[in-house]
Amino acid sequence: GQQVMQIPQYQHVQEGEDFTTYCNSSTTLSNIQWYKQRPGGHPVFLIQLVKSGEVKKQKRLTFQFGEAKKNSSLHITATQTTDVGTYFCAEQNTGNQFYFGTGTSLTVIP
Amino acid sequence: KAGVTQTPRYLIKTRGQQVTLSCSPISGHRSVSWYQQTPGQGLQFLFEYFSETQRNKGNFPGRFSGRQFSNSRSEMNVSTLELGDSALYLCASSVGTVTDTQYFGPGTRLTVL
Repeated sequence: GQQVMQIPQYQHVQEGEDFTTYCNSSTTLSNIQWYKQRPGGHPVFLIQLVKSGEVKKQKRLTFQFGEAKKNSSLHITATQTTDVGTYFCAEQNTGNQFYFGTGTSLTVIP
Repeated sequence: KAGVTQTPRYLIKTRGQQVTLSCSPISGHRSVSWYQQTPGQGLQFLFEYFSETQRNKGNFPGRFSGRQFSNSRSEMNVSTLELGDSALYLCASSVGTVTDTQYFGPGTRLTVL
């Protein structure tokens, strides 16, 4: 089946530092989605990327889809304590089945 | 619109028992997917129902089953519970088309003793 590798597994940063998580797939993706799960919460949809090389921004968050549509990244500029949580990428096959990455757990030290 | 609701929120069972979890999707959503989340395995896809039919199935044993009703509400059943079934079970609803956004419920925390 499809495998979605996500690195790093854990990341500790000082408040104000930047943070990046990477998602790599063994197959060409039709689209990729990013979710955030706060501690004790459930995954919440952040964004979807569809086009090759697509870059989307949400305030301090920048999402990028690779040119070959096999990888994606999420970059947070100047992290805040509210950014704490686990960030997941998810790839969707043509049958509406989602494969989630292993997630990156972000800790922000005040 | 009301969000996705799941009941019960917490459940404690013993090995060998069976359990039924319920999920009510967002109004108008026809697709319901179920996931198992554990610290070791992450978010793993169980199955997806669309218009009362199982459309996709993950790699889980037959002890895990589900169904969807005409109002799109879905239930998941786990029979002959094992200790390893302890997990957070999440359901997610979506409209059901390709390039869809999934909306997750709060989950049911199942503990098997």
